[in-house]
This record gives sequence, C-alpha cells and structure tokens, in this order.
Amino acid sequence: AQTVTQSQPEMSVQEAETVTLSCTYDTSENNYYLFWYKQPPSRQMILVIRQEAYKQQNATENRFSVNFQKAAKSFSLKISDSQLGDTAMYFCAFIPFQGAQKLVFGQGTRLTINP
Amino acid sequence: AAGVIQSPRHLIKEKRETATLKCYPIPRHDTVYWYQQGPGQDPQFLISFYEKMQSDKGSIPDRFSAQQFSDYHSELNMSSLELGDSALYFCASSPGLAGHEQYFGPGTRLTVT
Repeated sequence: AQTVTQSQPEMSVQEAETVTLSCTYDTSENNYYLFWYKQPPSRQMILVIRQEAYKQQNATENRFSVNFQKAAKSFSLKISDSQLGDTAMYFCAFIPFQGAQKLVFGQGTRLTINP
Repeated sequence: AAGVIQSPRHLIKEKRETATLKCYPIPRHDTVYWYQQGPGQDPQFLISFYEKMQSDKGSIPDRFSAQQFSDYHSELNMSSLELGDSALYFCASSPGLAGHEQYFGPGTRLTVT
C-alpha cells in the first residue's frame, strides 16, 4: 500500500518570501504520478502541479516548482514570491500509473502568508 | 472552462435519515471519484466509476451506495446517517484512468444532527 507523509503540519512566512513544503512517500511502484493540491479557506481542492515519475525534469508552474527525488521518494513544493492568496492547506498526493486510481493524500500542511 | 458540479452544496440531515449527493463531471470526462474529508483530515477515497462501471472501492460504508448514469453523472446515496458521516464530500472527474489529473468539484458539506 502507498503512503504519503507531510511532516510539517503548519508553516508561516512573510509575503514575497520563498517557502518549501516537504512530502515523502512510500511505494513499490515504478511508474506513478505525484500532485500538489491547494485547499484555501473555501475548501475547494485546486490542482497546483503534477509530476510524472518517469520524468527526471522537475515540473514548474509559474511561481510553483517541485524538487522530485525518486530514489529518496521525496517530492517537495517550492513557492516563490509568496502571495497572500497562497494561504491555504496544501496536500501532497500519489497515484499509481496502473491499478487503483485513487489519490492517496498526505496529512496536509497549513501555510499562512503574512503581510 | 466548465468545472465539476456538485449538488447540493450544503445538506443538513438528522440521524438515521437518508441523503443523496449528486455530481456532474466535466464534459467528456468519463471517470468519477468520490472522496470524504472529515474535519481537519485529508480526503479519503470512497469509490470510483469508469464508463458507468465501478472501477475501484475504498473505505465506503455498506450504508453508502453509488452509481454512474448514462450521462456520466454520479450519485452517492447515504442511508441510516450517523453523526460521524458529517464531512465534506468531494466528487472529482478525469478523462479516463491511468494517472490523469482529477479535477475536484466544490464539495457538498453534509451535517448530521
């Protein structure tokens, strides 16, 4: 069974700073996908970024980028030039390429951006 | 762009009552997933459907059932409601299986009193 662990329950930074959220996972699969979802106070689940395990290049979406270390089973999210609107709960999630297509989520990291 | 639609957005029921949650996937998405998120918890997978057939099942109580209809919308039926069923219920959709992104709806907040 796959597990996802987010070791930082809460983080807080000042606006415009850079922040990195950690995520580790455990799986015996070789092909899989990793995601970061954002859940603001509205509780909507918003996809932030996606990484395919077979790609060595780290995914980037504007101010959001990941550091994917497959051997270490690590998948961290870096938010550059943080904005007040980035305040949210962030969930790391795993899904295998084949087999059960259910997302397995980490416990979440509550990120607060302070003005 | 069209998003996943869930109805109702809020629902209040009493213990032992029945509730039906509806989900309308993004057009041309044939796969629907249901997740339950309790207070302060991460979403937990309940059940999924691909092309109107159940494709996977998670920790869904026997009191719950679901189906996907010919127009690809899905309904989650919950009977004999318990206080512990109070949660945010998300529906997500994707264009097929095999690692596609799952796009979430706004959720239905169910409160059981």
